[in-house]
Amino acid sequence: NAGVTQTPKFRILKIGQSMTLQCTQDMNHNYMYWYRQDPGMGLKLIYYSVGAGITDKGEVPNGYNVSRSTTEDFPLRLELAAPSQTSVYFCASSYRRGPGSSYNSPLHFGNGTRLTVT
Amino acid sequence: GENVEQHPSTLSVQEGDSAVIKCTYSDSASNYFPWYKQELGKRPQLIIDIRSNVGEKKDQRIAVTLNKTAKHFSLHITETQPEDSAVYFCAASGSGGSNYKLTFGKGTLLTVNP
Repeated sequence: NAGVTQTPKFRILKIGQSMTLQCTQDMNHNYMYWYRQDPGMGLKLIYYSVGAGITDKGEVPNGYNVSRSTTEDFPLRLELAAPSQTSVYFCASSYRRGPGSSYNSPLHFGNGTRLTVT
Repeated sequence: GENVEQHPSTLSVQEGDSAVIKCTYSDSASNYFPWYKQELGKRPQLIIDIRSNVGEKKDQRIAVTLNKTAKHFSLHITETQPEDSAVYFCAASGSGGSNYKLTFGKGTLLTVNP
């Protein structure tokens, strides 16, 4: 298994440009997440999905959009890039341990995308 | 929503010493508390986790303790080694139906000096 794969690894955008960060996982996990990591600020949840066709906002969703058409893929869209979106973006996935379980597996993270908006 | 505070932000120890990182959380219904290690330029990776029905868990040189009454949990690393140098994040899950969402602390940069 490749686990969680993110592309690209690095990207530089000009203010106002758009781009899509790709994330795919091959572990058949039903839960997927996008986090951003700013220096000294930990990881902040942007959006998450509990299954194909279902997405919801996290802590810092403004300026981003997501879609989840398949179990494997969870792309993150930036429509009008702003300097405040300069960050490292991590995609992650997890699974519910069983029908009667209230716990999810630990998060499996991708290697991250380093985005700079200038 | 959940709020997680983590201290200290930086910690420097001598090789062989112990290191302790502490976190507090605000939502008394949170039930899952993982710790992640992130080496420079790498992704976060789980090192240990604890659930709310357990007070302590140990895995070789790493241990985590949980005090539900006080709403705090701690990571203990004994006999530290230079390869333990990294940023460590604590996290807490949301309560009830959102237990799959984690709120992270801001991280602790641990430096182990040879």
